[in-house]
Amino acid sequence: AQKVTQAQTEISVVEKEDVTLDCVYETRDTTYYLFWYKQPPSGELVFLIRRNSFDEQNEISGRYSWNFQKSTSSFNFTITASQVVDSAVYFCALFSNSGYALNFGKGTSLLVTP
Amino acid sequence: DAGITQSPRHKVTETGTPVTLRCHQTENHRYMYWYRQDPGHGLRLIHYSYGVKDTDKGEVSDGYSVSRSKTEDFLLTLESATSSQTSVYFCAISEVARRSSYEQYFGPGTRLTVT
Repeated sequence: AQKVTQAQTEISVVEKEDVTLDCVYETRDTTYYLFWYKQPPSGELVFLIRRNSFDEQNEISGRYSWNFQKSTSSFNFTITASQVVDSAVYFCALFSNSGYALNFGKGTSLLVTP
Repeated sequence: DAGITQSPRHKVTETGTPVTLRCHQTENHRYMYWYRQDPGHGLRLIHYSYGVKDTDKGEVSDGYSVSRSKTEDFLLTLESATSSQTSVYFCAISEVARRSSYEQYFGPGTRLTVT
């Protein structure tokens, strides 16, 4: 069985604060892929990043960074110096070769206030 | 942006009526998916397709059927709409044949209200 847990339902921060969104996953497959998507208030789903199970290198893209730790089955997402435009619902998702679709967490709603 | 369109974007219908949602892609991707998004549930897979005329059920397929007669089009049909099918429906595409690419790209969504 595959499962993605995003324990934080809602997070509220003040602009310029750093914020980390947690994602914990479960899978029996040895090869799998982890994703983060952003859903802004306009409603579209925007792909942010993919990480392969055999590549535990962390990644940084501007103010965004991702920490992948197989030992704890976590794939956390950090936004540094948050901005109002970061306000959105963020989804973590898991794909493995035993299936054909993404398993999504329930999402974390991030509100960044000025 | 991936070339994915959904139609209609908004629809209000009455209980018991049939409804068909269309997803159209211009990317020639093999895999297409239909998800529904509901508060507190995230996105849940309804049906997916792994090629023309090849489809399979997802987690919440009851009350839905799909068809794919062309690579670019994936139709989702509610044979007899119920209020529990009020939701936002997203279509997605992916090309898992390329080993380096498993991400799914999503359409803009269709907001369906069943009264």
